[in-house]
Amino acid sequence: AQTVTQSQPEMSVQEAETVTLSCTYDTSESDYYLFWYKQPPSRQMILVIRQEAYKQQNATENRFSVNFQKAAKSFSLKISDSQLGDAAMYFCAYTNDYKLSFGAGTTVTVRA
Amino acid sequence: DTGVSQDPRHKITKRGQNVTFRCDPISEHNRLYWYRQTLGQGPEFLTYFQNEAQLEKSRLLSDRFSAERPKGSFSTLEIQRTEQGDSAMYLCASSALGQKRYGYTFGSGTRLTVV
Repeated sequence: AQTVTQSQPEMSVQEAETVTLSCTYDTSESDYYLFWYKQPPSRQMILVIRQEAYKQQNATENRFSVNFQKAAKSFSLKISDSQLGDAAMYFCAYTNDYKLSFGAGTTVTVRA
Repeated sequence: DTGVSQDPRHKITKRGQNVTFRCDPISEHNRLYWYRQTLGQGPEFLTYFQNEAQLEKSRLLSDRFSAERPKGSFSTLEIQRTEQGDSAMYLCASSALGQKRYGYTFGSGTRLTVV
């Protein structure tokens, strides 16, 4: 079974600054997909960014970017120019078929 | 299409009672998933359907749990003889076959509290 590890239970960032969330995963597959999901308090989980393992180029979506290191099985998320609306729990997730496996999450707090 | 809908949003029940949750996926999605999320944790896979067929069930899904998707559209998750340990957020998600690269679309969840 694939495992996803997020080693930072909580991260705090000053508004307009940058924060990086770490994620590692364990797999024997070569073709898979990685995701970061955002879950605001009492609200729906939404997809932030995704990465296809066969692509070497790191994905970017506006202020969100990833650092994908396939050999190290590492998939970190960088949030630039943090905004108050970025405060949420962030989950790293993996799939190589139909089932998503999630990490335990990192709670991001944004200080005004 | 308004996305994935779950009903109810919140449910408080007494221990030993039965509860049923409903999920309406995105209409063109033929895959539907149920996950359970306890406080401060990531979602854990419970079961998934492709059209009306239930293709996998996690060992987390005890015999008190049953899920159906009778016509390949909406799904229900029933918990019989609820226990306090069943208190959690139950998330439904859907995806289209062959679209795993896009991940899932999640509903807002049903928060169950067993008292």
